[in-house]
Amino acid sequence: DADVTQTPRNRITKTGKRIMLECSQTKGHDRMYWYRQDPGLGLRLIYYSFDVKDINKGEISDGYSVSRQAQAKFSLSLESAIPNQTALYFCATSDSVRGTGELFFGEGSRLTVL
Amino acid sequence: GESVGLHLPTLSVQEGDNSIINCAYSNSASDYFIWYKQESGKGPQFIIDIRSNMDKRQGQRVTVLLNKTVKHLSLQIAATQPGDSAVYFCAERTGTASKLTFGTGTRLQVTL
Repeated sequence: DADVTQTPRNRITKTGKRIMLECSQTKGHDRMYWYRQDPGLGLRLIYYSFDVKDINKGEISDGYSVSRQAQAKFSLSLESAIPNQTALYFCATSDSVRGTGELFFGEGSRLTVL
Repeated sequence: GESVGLHLPTLSVQEGDNSIINCAYSNSASDYFIWYKQESGKGPQFIIDIRSNMDKRQGQRVTVLLNKTVKHLSLQIAATQPGDSAVYFCAERTGTASKLTFGTGTRLQVTL
């Protein structure tokens, strides 16, 4: 079983719909992240959370919100999806105790907004 | 190296040859660097890392070189295999631990 699990893996929706992408982890890490990947643009940070009570905006947070429901769960919401939010979304975790900075990624959630 | 745009740089290498993938990072204050490999349909996977107080680190078939003077990072893969075909990303950490900034990636194609 994957240590970092994202659901759904694929989703097609329409403009204006609310979408939630969910992430759960069994690694016991305290830090969780949401990244967006677009062709030719690499991975860009949307939001990150260093513990349950800590939420921080990344470089492209507009149009997104997050919720850290528990140490193991971090969800990303698009309140009103628009076509330029079509992308591949990755959840990642890291361990502040280990402190190396290494991120562990899920398999990704591909979102298409029509 | 890094570039902003829709076209991913591609490196084509023959099986058995050595590969060198380059990355120019942006912040001279970055203290930690990672190379990730992303296969089609999968999330990025850690390959090797290096701290800024080092200039070379070796793993199994991979070597990372860091040149802080010119803010350049390279990943060398020895005896490249078909399974090495993927997109490779460099990432740098500046300031807050575990908050990484990623490069745009290089696609490695291994030909038989």
